[in-house]
Amino acid sequence: DTGVSQDPRHKITKRGQNVTFRCDPISEHNRLYWYRQTLGQGPEFLTYFQNEAQLEKSRLLSDRFSAERPKGSFSTLEIQRTEQGDSAMYLCASSPQGGEKLFFGSGTQLSVL
Amino acid sequence: SQELEQSPQSLIVQEGKNLTINCTSSKTLYGLYWYKQKYGEGLIFLMMLQKGGEEKSHEKITAKLDEKKQQSSLHITASQPSHAGIYLCGALNSGGYQKVTFGTGTKLQVIP
Repeated sequence: DTGVSQDPRHKITKRGQNVTFRCDPISEHNRLYWYRQTLGQGPEFLTYFQNEAQLEKSRLLSDRFSAERPKGSFSTLEIQRTEQGDSAMYLCASSPQGGEKLFFGSGTQLSVL
Repeated sequence: SQELEQSPQSLIVQEGKNLTINCTSSKTLYGLYWYKQKYGEGLIFLMMLQKGGEEKSHEKITAKLDEKKQQSSLHITASQPSHAGIYLCGALNSGGYQKVTFGTGTKLQVIP
């Protein structure tokens, strides 16, 4: 069990640029989640994948956000035309079918200047 | 939508003291998670409660879900500096997967 891996750990970008984050879940986990956490708040749900299918998207995920999990393994989260309000920690989590635990990665801290 | 309120928002205790963190939900809880987070890092699973009246313990941390399933408490006995961090409660939604609504967290500092 190598844990959930996220890359990069930190990303600084200028407003208007596009950014992409990667998440590698625990290998046998077919469920994958993205959450966003701003300073002083708890994580907020963004989206959920079961295998390669994206089954739920939060209203927080505007048209500028897109998430994929093409082969049911790793996932990417892309933000187009970043805004300062996108600055946050983006957390990825995974779980096995029927499991109760949600395993989180260390997150990608995004700063939009 | 479901909301979780945690109290206190922050807590400073002397090493060796006991403490309690509370989590109150605006709706009935299908399941309640407790996670710990170090600053700038991911969340570490502590425990999950599902049944009213259920109580679980791990090392010096005990969590309980009340009978009416709208409130949970986390109790730390004989606190240590390693217990410092942000404690988050999270409500499991009823959709059959781990869509979780989190509280805003309780920041714990333990003074040696």
